[in-house]
Amino acid sequence: DTEVTQTPKHLVMGMTNKKSLKCEQHMGHRAMYWYKQKAKKPPELMFVYSYEKLSINESVPSRFSPECPNSSLLNLHLHALQPEDSALYLCASSQERGSGGSGNTIYFGEGSWLTVV
Amino acid sequence: AQSVTQLGSHVSVSEGALVLLRCNYSSSVPPYLFWYVQYPNQGLQLLLKYTSAATLVKGINGFEAEFKKSETSFHLTKPSAHMSDAAEYFCAVSGAAGNKLTFGGGTRVLVKP
Repeated sequence: DTEVTQTPKHLVMGMTNKKSLKCEQHMGHRAMYWYKQKAKKPPELMFVYSYEKLSINESVPSRFSPECPNSSLLNLHLHALQPEDSALYLCASSQERGSGGSGNTIYFGEGSWLTVV
Repeated sequence: AQSVTQLGSHVSVSEGALVLLRCNYSSSVPPYLFWYVQYPNQGLQLLLKYTSAATLVKGINGFEAEFKKSETSFHLTKPSAHMSDAAEYFCAVSGAAGNKLTFGGGTRVLVKP
C-alpha cells in the first residue's frame, strides 16, 4: 500500500473551471513532487518542493500552480486547462537530499486521472 | 546530465519463462538506479534500487538487477514469469542530489499462459 495519498482519483473539468489536486504523506519526507504522465509514456517531472519551498519548476505553464501548505501536504491548483493537459498526475515524496544515505527513494501515490473537456 | 535507455518497448514472455528487461544509463556522476513497476491504472511502485552497496540487487516479487559499470547497464530479471507480472516497467536514474529522477521510456511486459 502506498503511503502517498492522492485525491481525487478521477477529475473531469471544463476548460474554464478551477480545481485542485491534493496529496498527503505521513512518512516525514521533506521533498515532494508533482509528475505528469501521458498514456504509454514515462512520468515527467513538473515541480519539486524541498522543505516546503519550490526548488524545481520544469517550465510548467502557469495554468498549473503548486502549493505546499505544510510538510505533509502538496496541492496542484488547476485553472484554464487545455484538453491536452488530460493525463495522470502523480504525487511523490522522498527524504530530502543528503539524508537517508545514498539515493533517496521517491515514493509515488496512485495518481489522479484528469480529463479536461 | 543523465539519461536512461530501455531496449524494447514491449516484451512478451511465457508464464514460467525468464523475464529480462534491459536498461542502459548515462550519467556524469555515480548514479543511483531504480526500477519501478506500474500496474494498469495505478501509480508507480518501487521494485528495487542500486545505491553502490552491492552490484546485485534483490527486489520485491522475485526480481533482481545487476549493476555493470563497464557496460553502463542495470538489467532487470526474474527467473520465472507469473501472470501477475504483466505491467509497465520503468528504469530510472538520479544523480548525487537525488531529487531529480529521469525515467526511461518504459517496457510493457505481456505474460502468455
